[in-house]
Amino acid sequence: GAVVSQHPSRVICKSGTSVKIECRSLDFQATTMFWYRQFPKQSLMLMATSNEGSKATYEQGVEKDKFLINHASLTLSTLTVTSAHPEDSSFYICSAGKGQETQYFGPGTRLLVL
Amino acid sequence: KQEVTQIPAALSVPEGENLVLNCSFTDSAIYNLQWFRQDPGKGLTSLLLIQSSQREQTSGRLNASLDKSSGRSTLYIAASQPGDSATYLCAVRPGGGADGLTFGKGTHLIIQP
Repeated sequence: GAVVSQHPSRVICKSGTSVKIECRSLDFQATTMFWYRQFPKQSLMLMATSNEGSKATYEQGVEKDKFLINHASLTLSTLTVTSAHPEDSSFYICSAGKGQETQYFGPGTRLLVL
Repeated sequence: KQEVTQIPAALSVPEGENLVLNCSFTDSAIYNLQWFRQDPGKGLTSLLLIQSSQREQTSGRLNASLDKSSGRSTLYIAASQPGDSATYLCAVRPGGGADGLTFGKGTHLIIQP
């Protein structure tokens, strides 16, 4: 299957700082990338859908000004957690796909905000 | 709004047993259903994907079935091994096929040596 990478795999930051997470599709062009969040012992929750060249669509309850998503190319989407707080500590996973084709998941980024 | 439920939440069985994990979803208008495995602190490994027009998929010791009209899927694991210990997640993709997945909370499986 296709390969999706995320960087960094783990990040620790101080409260109030911003953190950028990258999601790359390494061997295919992804028209759509999805961002999910997983709190400890919980399941994955879709945060937003990102289509290349257009604004992201956010799920209900997800603050678009706090979680900035950019999908500037067919192989790269970024999620920036602005002014991070301890409650933003979570496991963030992206997936990439083309239309109705299978989505491929990245390995995830563990964020810890102190 | 689609809701996905997985039963049981946790399961512990001796090695060698055959077992069934259950998944149900409230909106039958799905594009496909996928089973994943997640090891502690790790990402997702896709196990099986069943399109809405299919009834089942098999891969090695794993068999997944789908009854779309009743909103149910099962994952059957044959001859379980300690290496099968993980959390198993069920996820559905909405009918249009272009949207994100809705996940269940998972079944935490422990296979005792």
